[in-house]
Amino acid sequence: EAGVAQSPRYKIIEKRQSVAFWCNPISGHATLYWYQQILGQGPKLLIQFQNNGVVDDSQLPKDRFSAERLKGVDSTLKIQPAKLEDSAVYLCASSLELGAGSYNEQFFGPGTRLTVL
Amino acid sequence: AQSVTQLDSHVSVSEGTPVLLRCNYSSSYSPSLFWYVQHPNKGLQLLLKYTSAATLVKGINGFEAEFKKSETSFHLTKPSAHMSDAAEYFCVVSPYGSSNTGKLIFGQGTTLQVKP
Repeated sequence: EAGVAQSPRYKIIEKRQSVAFWCNPISGHATLYWYQQILGQGPKLLIQFQNNGVVDDSQLPKDRFSAERLKGVDSTLKIQPAKLEDSAVYLCASSLELGAGSYNEQFFGPGTRLTVL
Repeated sequence: AQSVTQLDSHVSVSEGTPVLLRCNYSSSYSPSLFWYVQHPNKGLQLLLKYTSAATLVKGINGFEAEFKKSETSFHLTKPSAHMSDAAEYFCVVSPYGSSNTGKLIFGQGTTLQVKP
């Protein structure tokens, strides 16, 4: 089966510019996650969707970051305006349902590497 | 609050020798614990998971981990390292309880170097 798709794979922008990332989860997966992975650190959850509703966005910097999953399938994460500290890899993951049970593995996409100059 | 601490940022072993990557966790509830591997320019891949069944968990590629509640540890081991095991490894906790949303909390990562 096809995995989680993300685009673009790489993006370089100037600070204060805007940028958007796209994610298409595995078909049939109801839950979608966006993580931020800063160089040398583990991924940190930014936002979690169940279908088209937000489950957890407690760590999303809402003054500059936004995300949507309008039709409950693919999702877009936007940064406006970008700061130097936003340089990171942005990972998208999906799972069948909520919860951390035995059959609820999260599958990760390859990520988008963002460089803010 | 739930968290994981990976005790080594970098581990170097020779090919064919045992691998030990150490992880301690902190959780108010009975947690789910995972190990993920990240090869350069590739996505994160699940190695193994503990979800309150057997305390010794076997994963892919010969890796295993043992859940020790008394020590709050979940160390990852492999009897014999292979060159292809060189990667970044993450210990991950997902809390149970009323907030069981599947949220994953990652450790800082351990870089495994395998020398020929």
